[in-house]
Amino acid sequence: DIQMTQSPSSLSASVGDRVTITCRASQSITAYLNWYQQKPGKAPKLLIYAASSLQSGVPSRFSGSGSGTDFTLTISNLQPEDFATYYCQQSHSSPMYTFGPGTKLEIK
Amino acid sequence: EVTLLESGGGLVQPGGSLRLSCAASEFSFSDFAMTWVRQAPGRGLEWVSSITGRGGSTYFSDSVKGRFTMSRDNSKNTLSLQMNSLRAEDTAVYYCARQTLFAWGAPAFDFWGQGTVVTVSS
Repeated sequence: DIQMTQSPSSLSASVGDRVTITCRASQSITAYLNWYQQKPGKAPKLLIYAASSLQSGVPSRFSGSGSGTDFTLTISNLQPEDFATYYCQQSHSSPMYTFGPGTKLEIK
Repeated sequence: EVTLLESGGGLVQPGGSLRLSCAASEFSFSDFAMTWVRQAPGRGLEWVSSITGRGGSTYFSDSVKGRFTMSRDNSKNTLSLQMNSLRAEDTAVYYCARQTLFAWGAPAFDFWGQGTVVTVSS
């Protein structure tokens, strides 16, 4: 089974900052990596698919990169609505999927 | 606008059964694989099960295999998750989600329902 890890598990940042969240797979998943944002009490929202493609309607301050086992989600110019929990997900082993444990982004 | 609406959650005793439903609208339901994802209180997301567009194949996580079954009725645009032999650790919010194949067949869950709460407790 493919295991996913994320770092950090939480971070504090200020409006206007640039932040990077890292996701690592236990084996190569090429670019089969998605990122989701979840706010408290809400369903997750797809941000990035296939490692670096921005989902329709998602602001361009969100970007993804990486391939193989190491991936990053970068948020530039943090906005108040960006404070949430972010999850990576591997789809290389589709139709079986694995999510990372999440990274909680909090306001400093 | 694509809409997914779950129902059927509730309180059930350990060992009991529950059937969740997900009503889909505003897309060609049979063209998409569908999935269930759950989230235990204060925990992360866990993929539970998936079903192909025609319903011919289903897939389950090891944690629910043999206890849960998944089905769909494409004539009614509905998805179901039959949960048997429920355990306390099945307590979670259950989300249904649409699976879309993006560039070069890379799948992702692009639309989600609001979730339904399942509590397994005596």
